[in-house]
Amino acid sequence: EAGVVQSPRYKIIEKKQPVAFWCNPISGHNTLYWYLQNLGQGPELLIRYENEEAVDDSQLPKDRFSAERLKGVDSTLKIQPAELGDSAVYLCASSLGQKDSPLHFGNGTRLTVT
Amino acid sequence: GDSVTQMEGPVTLSEEAFLTINCTYTATGYPSLFWYVQYPGEGLQLLLKATKADDKGSNKGFEATYRKETTSFHLEKGSVQVSDSAVYFCALLGQNFVFGPGTRLSVLP
Repeated sequence: EAGVVQSPRYKIIEKKQPVAFWCNPISGHNTLYWYLQNLGQGPELLIRYENEEAVDDSQLPKDRFSAERLKGVDSTLKIQPAELGDSAVYLCASSLGQKDSPLHFGNGTRLTVT
Repeated sequence: GDSVTQMEGPVTLSEEAFLTINCTYTATGYPSLFWYVQYPGEGLQLLLKATKADDKGSNKGFEATYRKETTSFHLEKGSVQVSDSAVYFCALLGQNFVFGPGTRLSVLP
């Protein structure tokens, strides 16, 4: 099966600019997560979708971050405006959403804000 | 909320040494438990899982047993190889997937 696809792989922007990340999950996976991973740390949850509904966005900094998952398939995560502290790897992952269903990760987007 | 704690790294071992990476968790209810591995330059991959107490997950010579009484899920391997050098993440699935901070393993020839 095709894996989780993320784009772009790398993005360099100046602070205060907008940026968007795209994710295509594994076909049939109704659960989709966005995580942030800083260097040397574990993934930190930003938002979880069940189909097209954001069921947990409590960790998403809503003043500058937004996300959408139209039609319950692809998802986009946006930052506007970006800050220096947003430099990190942004990971997308999907699963079937059952108790024993593992997460399948994409390769991530490495964001550098200068 | 749910959380995962792992032993701090880096862990440096010689080839064929025995490996243990400790993992403990805090969660309401009965979460499923996972170990993920991240090889240099690659994404996170599932290594093994266990979904209920006393279950043992295993893969590629790695094992971990779900211990409900000690809320632990320690990762073990009897004889590590240079190719096992990576970062290992313990994770639980309760309401959400929650990850530990990761433990970097370096295996020297």
